[in-house]
Amino acid sequence: NAGVTQTPKFQVLKTGQSMTLQCAQDMNHNSMYWYRQDPGMGLRLIYYSASEGTTDKGEVPNGYNVSRLNKREFSLRLESAAPSQTSVYFCASRVADYEQYFGPGTRLTVT
Amino acid sequence: EDKVVQSPLSLVVHEGDTVTLNCSYEVTNFRSLLWYKQEKKAPTFLFMLTSSGIEKKSGRLSSILDKKELFSILNITATQTGDSAIYLCAVSPLVWGKLQFGAGTQVVVTP
Repeated sequence: NAGVTQTPKFQVLKTGQSMTLQCAQDMNHNSMYWYRQDPGMGLRLIYYSASEGTTDKGEVPNGYNVSRLNKREFSLRLESAAPSQTSVYFCASRVADYEQYFGPGTRLTVT
Repeated sequence: EDKVVQSPLSLVVHEGDTVTLNCSYEVTNFRSLLWYKQEKKAPTFLFMLTSSGIEKKSGRLSSILDKKELFSILNITATQTGDSAIYLCAVSPLVWGKLQFGAGTQVVVTP
């Protein structure tokens, strides 16, 4: 089992460019999540998907879109990147009432 | 609005010391509280607590929940340099739902 995988690991974008962060899990989990982590702010939820076919906004959704492509894959898209989106992005998955498992993270810098 | 507050935000201790980390919360429909350890990568799961007064223990780490006073503590005894990390507390308000994270406590253990 690979668990939760994310690509890419690192990315540098110029302001206004777009990109998609990919996430996949092989644990047959129903729920998937995208977080961003900034120094001193813990993990803040961007979007989540409780099950295949559904997505909902989290705490900080502005500037992002998501797609739950199937049960395994949940992608995060930045349509027009801004310096304020410089952060580390984590994808996570979960089944029922158990712990979330996190991917290794994507370090994104927007210049 | 759901809220999770961790204290202290950071601390420095010597190897062998005992550390107590605090997590207080305000959340509707509380289901569980989770602790994670984060070194320079993705958070890794430590404990999930659902019932008051029952201590969970793993080696030198232990945690307990007080659902009446709405807080949890994480204890680390006989600290080692490998315990240096950010410790994150999160609360789950629903069975499948999103986790609300605190800002984390940065622990530095010096030799």
